[in-house]
Amino acid sequence: EAGVAQSPRYKIIEKRQSVAFWCNPISGHATLYWYQQILGQGPKLLIQFQNNGVVDDSQLPKDRFSAERLKGVDSTLKIQPAKLEDSAVYLCASSLVSREPSASGTQYFGPGTRLTVL
Amino acid sequence: RKEVEQDPGPFNVPEGATVAFNCTYSNSASQSFFWYRQDCRKEPKLLMSVYSSGNEDGRFTAQLNRASQYISLLIRDSKLSDSATYLCVVHQDSWGKLQFGAGTQVVVTP
Repeated sequence: EAGVAQSPRYKIIEKRQSVAFWCNPISGHATLYWYQQILGQGPKLLIQFQNNGVVDDSQLPKDRFSAERLKGVDSTLKIQPAKLEDSAVYLCASSLVSREPSASGTQYFGPGTRLTVL
Repeated sequence: RKEVEQDPGPFNVPEGATVAFNCTYSNSASQSFFWYRQDCRKEPKLLMSVYSSGNEDGRFTAQLNRASQYISLLIRDSKLSDSATYLCVVHQDSWGKLQFGAGTQVVVTP
């Protein structure tokens, strides 16, 4: 079974530039998550999609970050304009649709995109 | 106060020894709990769920104490390959939102 795919793996940009990340979840997983992981910290949820609808975007800095999942499969996360503090690994994860906590607690992560903002 | 707190470590453990560490959580309504493992520069992967009665998976034992709001992980007979950061994860709501701790680093030495 193919895992969660992300691209690019690495990106270096200057502050105030724009950047976009792409994620393809595991086939059949309706729930998709974007996390930001700053060095030395745990992943922080930015946005959660259920199919193509947003379930939770309470921690997404909406003045500069946006995300979409138009057809309920692939997703893109965009930062515009980037700041130095956006340097982090951006992880995409997916899980099955389930209200059973033990099932939805199993999230499968992609390899991440390591963003460096100079 | 952070929602999920962990001792960052590192815990330096001789090969073959036992190591244990805890994680505390602040939301008493949290529904379920997990340990994820994250190797250096890799993505997190589910290690095990944590059940109220405690559970084992090979050399790994997880415990939950709801009264004191902490979970623990014990690793017996440590292997070099157990060197990683262990993330404590709390399931916050029915839609699957997970709250991650910052992780406990374990370094197993020969």
